[in-house]
Amino acid sequence: DQQVKQNSPSLSVQEGRISILNCDYTNSMFDYFLWYKKYPAEGPTFLISISSIKDKNEDGRFTVFLNKSAKHLSLHIVPSQPGDSAVYFCAAIQGGSEKLVFGKGTKLTVNP
Amino acid sequence: DSGVTQTPKHLITATGQRVTLRCSPRSGDLSVYWYQQSLDQGLQFLIHYYNGEERAKGNILERFSAQQFPDLHSELNLSSLELGDSALYFCASSSQVSNTEAFFGQGTRLTVV
Repeated sequence: DQQVKQNSPSLSVQEGRISILNCDYTNSMFDYFLWYKKYPAEGPTFLISISSIKDKNEDGRFTVFLNKSAKHLSLHIVPSQPGDSAVYFCAAIQGGSEKLVFGKGTKLTVNP
Repeated sequence: DSGVTQTPKHLITATGQRVTLRCSPRSGDLSVYWYQQSLDQGLQFLIHYYNGEERAKGNILERFSAQQFPDLHSELNLSSLELGDSALYFCASSSQVSNTEAFFGQGTRLTVV
């Protein structure tokens, strides 16, 4: 049962344009959401997070939007840079739980 | 460099064998988490230790076990290995019980042949 879904395995964008990575979840008890970035041969690195009490969190070029009614979150990267090319994992956690539930990831390629 | 060290980086072994994966958390971090990433799968939570005690279990097979030692390093033991156990195994650590913003190691790639 995939509680966190990233339906796009890959995404390709041009440098300077916006990248939008999407994530859907099914468990309404999730109350904290995170995005991780993973380069080949490295472990995932934390990128940005959002609490369910917010609908937007911004950090530099990265913004995460949360739509609780739709059980949907998205990561916007603008402007996209070639160095952003990586696999992006969406993750969610339920308050009181210690288990991060990950999506399968979306491979972003930013073309120069 | 996340500060989390995993050894070995690569491991090739035969079916039926037993292996031990090692994780050294960031200095001061009390929590260690283990994840498995199989081909085309997201990271699957296996188990969480906090200050030497098991805190939570995820989709961990009975053939797998883990422990966290007094110096806070952790080992994941995989026994009676099957071809399907081939995967990337990640360790992550955090300073708190909560898993938010945990720092991941580079992973151990296990190949069972």
